[in-house]
Amino acid sequence: EIVLTQSPGTLSLFPGERVTLSCRASQSVSNTYLAWYQQKPGQAPRLLIFGASNRATGIPDRFSGSGSGTDFSLTISRLEPEDFAVYYCQQYGSTPLYSFGQGTKLEIK
Amino acid sequence: QITLKESGPTLVKPTQTLTLTCTFSGFSLTTGGVNVGWIRQPPGKALEWLALIYWDDDKRYSPSLKSRLTITKDTSKNQVVLTMTNVAPVDTATYYCAHGPYAPGFEAFDVWGQGTLVTVSS
Repeated sequence: EIVLTQSPGTLSLFPGERVTLSCRASQSVSNTYLAWYQQKPGQAPRLLIFGASNRATGIPDRFSGSGSGTDFSLTISRLEPEDFAVYYCQQYGSTPLYSFGQGTKLEIK
Repeated sequence: QITLKESGPTLVKPTQTLTLTCTFSGFSLTTGGVNVGWIRQPPGKALEWLALIYWDDDKRYSPSLKSRLTITKDTSKNQVVLTMTNVAPVDTATYYCAHGPYAPGFEAFDVWGQGTLVTVSS
């Protein structure tokens, strides 16, 4: 069973800062099958990145994804107030068919 | 425009069977490659994938819940139904349905329903 481990669990940052979130898989994941989501309180998750590095429709270019194999990251180049939320990585293709990381929460400092 | 909406009971008693319906629009589950998944989120916790149904009626389940889950589709009604048997308080969660894939070969859920909170309690 593949496990996705996100770090850190919580980050406290100022608006305007740059941040990189980590997602580590217990087994290799195809780049095609790694995605990132943003979730705000009381809302459904929103797809940010698919295929490890491709922004979904309408996602600002301050969001970028990278990585391969077992190590992936999501970078927000300059935090806007609306970016403070929880971020999840997700893989497809292993057992279970889909799995999510435990999430990283971005808090305003 | 793709939309999905979950419906079902808000309160279920332990040992009962939970039935949730996802009603969607803007796409057809007869189109090759399309799928609909169910994901849940206990209060304050992470997302957990439950089940998926493909356009060709192929079905996949989370191994840890497979014995309790059934996913079906009714293409004439544009609905996907998830049943979960023998629920317990640990099944209390917001249940989401979602459309995939984002694009052929890119298996991500690009549109999600608003979610429905189900509480399991006697």
